[in-house]
Amino acid sequence: AQSVTQLGSHVSVSEGALVLLRCNYSSSVPPYLFWYVQYPNQGLQLLLKYTSAATLVKGINGFEAEFKKSETSFHLTKPSAHMSDAAEYFCAVTEGTGANNLFFGTGTRLTVIP
Amino acid sequence: GAGVSQSPSNKVTEKGKDVELRCDPISGHTALYWYRQSLGQGLEFLIYFQGNSAPDKSGLPSDRFSAERTGGSVSTLTIQRTQQEDSAVYLCASSPRLAGGPWVKTQYFGPGTRLLVL
Repeated sequence: AQSVTQLGSHVSVSEGALVLLRCNYSSSVPPYLFWYVQYPNQGLQLLLKYTSAATLVKGINGFEAEFKKSETSFHLTKPSAHMSDAAEYFCAVTEGTGANNLFFGTGTRLTVIP
Repeated sequence: GAGVSQSPSNKVTEKGKDVELRCDPISGHTALYWYRQSLGQGLEFLIYFQGNSAPDKSGLPSDRFSAERTGGSVSTLTIQRTQQEDSAVYLCASSPRLAGGPWVKTQYFGPGTRLLVL
């Protein structure tokens, strides 16, 4: 069975500071991992995805994530936070081939302090 | 091109009434998913359609929930005899079927329908 744990339901950073959002997964098969962002009153937007190619994945808006099998982690980072990054972030896992649905974490709300 | 669209964007109903939520996937996408986003409970998978195959209904919480997909495109999620705990945002997503394999199902989400059951 697959699952995702996001540590910290709320994270606050100062504008210009490093953003680190944590995601740990559990999967019995090699996983495919995703980060989605949700702005207020909007749907989910794909930030980036890991599909067993490069372990360091770059996404939109300057975000990147590194797949670490030994740590079963897929943490999301951005070197310098912008006010526009304030949103809710979801990590998700799927088995990939033949799998039908994503298993989501409970989300992390990012607040950026000016 | 156009993204996933959902209607209505907001729905307020009375307990016990039936509701229908609509999803228009991205043109050409063969897979369609419904999720529910409840306050404090994150995103929960409900149902999945892939082409003409039988849908995966494993996430539907009760027999009051059903969904259909007509002509391999538009989908309707129906909730019968709504209860207050059905209040949530219902999200639809679609994904393309990639040629060859393995499948990597990147899902593209609609804006959701916010359902409030009074």
